[in-house]
Amino acid sequence: GENVEQHPSTLSVQEGDSAVIKCTYSDSASNYFPWYKQELGKGPQLIIDIRSNVGEKKDQRIAVTLNKTAKHFSLHITETQPEDSAVYFCAASKGSGGSNYKLTFGKGTLLTVNP
Amino acid sequence: NAGVMQNPRHLVRRRGQEARLRCSPMKGHSHVYWYRQLPEEGLKFMVYLQKENIIDESGMPKERFSAEFPKEGPSILRIQQVVRGDSAAYFCASSGGLGNEQYFGPGTRLTVT
Repeated sequence: GENVEQHPSTLSVQEGDSAVIKCTYSDSASNYFPWYKQELGKGPQLIIDIRSNVGEKKDQRIAVTLNKTAKHFSLHITETQPEDSAVYFCAASKGSGGSNYKLTFGKGTLLTVNP
Repeated sequence: NAGVMQNPRHLVRRRGQEARLRCSPMKGHSHVYWYRQLPEEGLKFMVYLQKENIIDESGMPKERFSAEFPKEGPSILRIQQVVRGDSAAYFCASSGGLGNEQYFGPGTRLTVT
C-alpha cells in the first residue's frame, strides 16, 4: 500500500521567516496531495491541495510543489505568523475516474512560530 | 453553513463496554470517511461509506468495529467490547463526491479506562 514519509517532525522558525515541510510517497499511482493544519484539540483543516497534473499551486502565503518523478511534494509557508503554529499533515491518495478517497497521511510536523 | 459535526467530543468507556461515535456530514455531502489518530501519529483510514452502503472498510479491524451510514441520520462508528488500545481520536470527514476534497469534523476523543 501507499506509504507517506514527512519531514521534519518538528520545525521552529522566527516570525516572518519561511517554513518548508517535505513529504515523499511510495505509490506512483497517487494523484491527489492535500495538506492539513491541525490545531490542538481540533480536527484537521484542509489548507491547500494539488493534483498530479500540475507542479505548483499557490494561495496567498501558502504554496505547494509536486515532483512526480521524484515522488515528493512540499509545503511552503512564507512570512510566518504566530497563528501558523500547529501540526501540519501531508497526505496522498489514488484512484480511478477521479476518485480520491482513502487518504494516507504522514506523521505530521509540529510548526512553532516564535514572535 | 455548518461543517462536519461529531458527537460526543469526548467519550470515556470502561473496558468491555460499547462506544458509539456519531458523524453528521456537511450539508449536501453524501460521502463519509472515518479515520483514527493515535497519539503522536498521523491519521489512519478506517472506512468509507455512502448512504446505506459501505464502499471500503479495508482499514477497519476485523472484529469489534462496525460502521453504518443510514438513509436518515448520522453515520455511526460502533466499537464493541472496547479495550485500552482503542483509546484514540476518531475523526470523520465528508465530501461531496468522488474526486472532491475531504473536510474533517472536530473528532471524538475516546478514552478507555
